[in-house]
Order: sequence, then structure tokens, then C-alpha cells
Amino acid sequence: GENVEQHPSTLSVQEGDSAVIKCTYSDSASNYFPWYKQELGKGPQLIIDIRSNVGEKKDQRIAVTLNKTAKHFSLHITETQPEDSAVYFCAASTGGFKTIFGAGTRLFVKA
Amino acid sequence: GAVVSQHPSWVICKSGTSVKIECRSLDFQATTMFWYRQFPKQSLMLMATSNEGSKATYEQGVEKDKFLINHASLTLSTLTVTSAHPEDSSFYICSATPAGETQYFGPGTRLLVL
Repeated sequence: GENVEQHPSTLSVQEGDSAVIKCTYSDSASNYFPWYKQELGKGPQLIIDIRSNVGEKKDQRIAVTLNKTAKHFSLHITETQPEDSAVYFCAASTGGFKTIFGAGTRLFVKA
Repeated sequence: GAVVSQHPSWVICKSGTSVKIECRSLDFQATTMFWYRQFPKQSLMLMATSNEGSKATYEQGVEKDKFLINHASLTLSTLTVTSAHPEDSSFYICSATPAGETQYFGPGTRLLVL
């Protein structure tokens, strides 16, 4: 079955620096890749997603890139702010409502 | 848009009692809803998938008689933890999808069984 690996598990950056989180997936049939941000005690929030027919997508300070050949996708956050501190989950879906989540990355942005 | 609510946000109950958690899609109709369980500092563990008007599909290892799921309408799904025990204490999160793959999550329900 599908497996999604996410790295790093913990990431600490200085405010204003960039943060990059990487994920790899195993099922080449995966065609939808959402990213979620989860703050302490809350449910995950969708922050950006990308489909397999697109290589890159950007929304203000966040961007996601997808390399279908290598089966990996990454989340890039630029100009990080303390409020970006949270747990980020990547996920992969083959379109049949089966979404596999990565283990999560705990991001700390130091002021 | 795409707002999902959960009620209650937290609940404390005695061992042996049953607890019902509601999940509602507020501004869209959800053909499919999902229930997850999350342990501290861990990822989301899918418990079951429910489609409106049909029986839920449970993941391997999840007791369907323990975790009863009802998806009676396109905007409401409920999870009932029957005869709860301390090991059922966890953070339960639902999600809903209007169409396609995008899941929108509720704020979660923290259950503590004493």
C-alpha cells in the first residue's frame, strides 16, 4: 500500500529564515498532495495542495513543489514568523478518498 | 468556506459510559466523512470512513462495536465510543469532503475517560 515518509521530524529556524519540509511517497498512482498545519489542541488546517499535473504551486509565503519522477514533494515557507510554529503534515492520495499522512514535522520559529 | 465543526470540544466521562461526538459540515454537503484518532505527538490514525446512508468502513484493528459511526445526513456524522475505558482517552478528529479528495478537518474532541 501507499507509504508517505516525511522529514525532518523536528525543524527549528530563526524568524525570517526559510523552512523546507520534504515528503516521499511510494504509490506512483498518487495524484493529489495536500499539506496541513496543526496547531496545538486543534484540528489540521489545509494550507496548500498540489495535483500531479502541476510541478509547483505558490500562495504568498508558502509554496509546494512536486517531482513525480522521484516521487517526492516539498513544502517551502519563506520569511517564517513565530505564528508559523506548528506541526505540518504532508499527505498523498490516489483519488479514491484514501489519503495517507506523513508522520508530521514539528516546526519551531524562534523570534 | 469548507468549515467543519465538532461537538463537544472536550469531554470527561467515567469508565463504562458511552460518549457521542458530533461532526458537522457547516457550509457544504459531505458525501464522505472520516474519523481519526491522534495520540500525543503522533500522526493521524484513520479509524473509519463513512458515506451518507451506508455503513461505515472501519480500518483494520478498529472495533466497529466499540466505535459506532452514524452518517445519517449529508452534513452530520456521529461517533459513539461505547463502554469507554481509560485506554480510549485520546484526541478524536473528523474530516469531511464535499467532493474529490480534499479533506477539511474539524477542531477535534479531546476525550478523557476516568
